[in-house]
Amino acid sequence: GAVVSQHPSRVICKSGTSVKIECRSLDFQATTMFWYRQFPKKSLMLMATSNEGSKATYEQGVEKDKFLINHASLTLSTLTVTSAHPEDSSFYICSARDSGLPNYNEQFFGPGTRLTVL
Amino acid sequence: SQELEQSPQSLIVQEGKNLTINCTSSKTLYGLYWYKQKYGEGLIFLMMLQKGGEEKSHEKITAKLDEKKQQSSLHITASQPSHAGIYLCGADPSGGGADGLTFGKGTHLIIQP
Repeated sequence: GAVVSQHPSRVICKSGTSVKIECRSLDFQATTMFWYRQFPKKSLMLMATSNEGSKATYEQGVEKDKFLINHASLTLSTLTVTSAHPEDSSFYICSARDSGLPNYNEQFFGPGTRLTVL
Repeated sequence: SQELEQSPQSLIVQEGKNLTINCTSSKTLYGLYWYKQKYGEGLIFLMMLQKGGEEKSHEKITAKLDEKKQQSSLHITASQPSHAGIYLCGADPSGGGADGLTFGKGTHLIIQP
């Protein structure tokens, strides 16, 4: 089946630094990828929709200058948490749709990245 | 915006027993997904339902979408320790797959030996 990878799986950084998280579709192309955030014992919240070759679409309340998204190729989207603070500590998960299967709507999820900001 | 309410929030079931998890939507469900998650890990896709009255099964797990497309249930038969985890229902707002999913808060399932 379709595989989505994320890197890194865990990252610890100091407050004020920036962290980049990669999301890759390994065996399919994805014109659209999605970024979610999950706080401890909470559900997943959609942060933004990443579109290949164009600007990302952010959900209400998500700061686009804080969470920079780049979808430069059909297999890679990156999320950069800029000037990270402890409240940004969370589990970040991406998902992707197979653009080669326009009638198949399943989203394939990555394994997640746990960010801890000290 | 669409909201999904899952019940129960947590469930402790003796191994071998059956159980049901419910997911109720504030709006019509055009695409309803069920996922399983181990805490701190990614999501494992279970099933996707799109049509009213649709029912799908995989191994010992059966998911249904009601005729009105506002409620879904996930039923596990003869539960096993491997079924333990967090079950999430997610809705595609448009059904076209172009949007991110809205998730319920999850149901934490514990299987007692």
